Amino acid sequence: GNSVTQMEGPVTLSEEAFLTINCTYTATGYPSLFWYVQYPGEGLQLLLKATKADDKGSNKGFEATYRKETTSFHLEKGSVQVSDSAVYFCALSGVHGSSNTGKLIFGQGTTLQVKP
Amino acid sequence: AAGVIQSPRHLIKEKRETATLKCYPIPRHDTVYWYQQGPGQDPQFLISFYEKMQSDKGSIPDRFSAQQFSDYHSELNMSSLELGDSALYFCASSREGGEEQYFGPGTRLTVT
Repeated sequence: GNSVTQMEGPVTLSEEAFLTINCTYTATGYPSLFWYVQYPGEGLQLLLKATKADDKGSNKGFEATYRKETTSFHLEKGSVQVSDSAVYFCALSGVHGSSNTGKLIFGQGTTLQVKP
Repeated sequence: AAGVIQSPRHLIKEKRETATLKCYPIPRHDTVYWYQQGPGQDPQFLISFYEKMQSDKGSIPDRFSAQQFSDYHSELNMSSLELGDSALYFCASSREGGEEQYFGPGTRLTVT
């Protein structure tokens, strides 16, 4: 079945360090890929998305490129801030050609802690 | 901008009781999704509705039911509550054909 695998956390970085959170997926079709962020005690916020191979999603300094050949969608940021501390979820949806109807399938989440 | 509204935000129930969670989607959004997030877990899809009809079903127990009303709000009804039902329940909404789902703040259900 369709699934998403993320690197395990927590990831602890100093402010201004470079961030990579790995995400790989398994899907039978051509899914759309997302990164969601969850701050403590809050709901999920869409961070960025990519809908087809080689698309690059970007927002607030975060980037991720849809790599079909490696079935990956790694999240990167060049210089993290303390305010980036949160849980990050990689997700897929809308596997075209299947019966999926837009539901999101999430990875297990990666906790990021940024220290001053 | 208007966001997804969920009520209540917190709910405490005892085993075997019932609970009703409500979700009010963003205006002009006609699709609603329900997700369950256990402690330290990723959100799991429960059920979705499009134009008041069930469009997909995930790992939702038979004790749970849901519907979408004519004003597009949705309710998740949970009966015979068990300790394992304690979780955050998120509602998300989207427009038809829209791939972006916008999440509400969640309802934290605690079953004692």
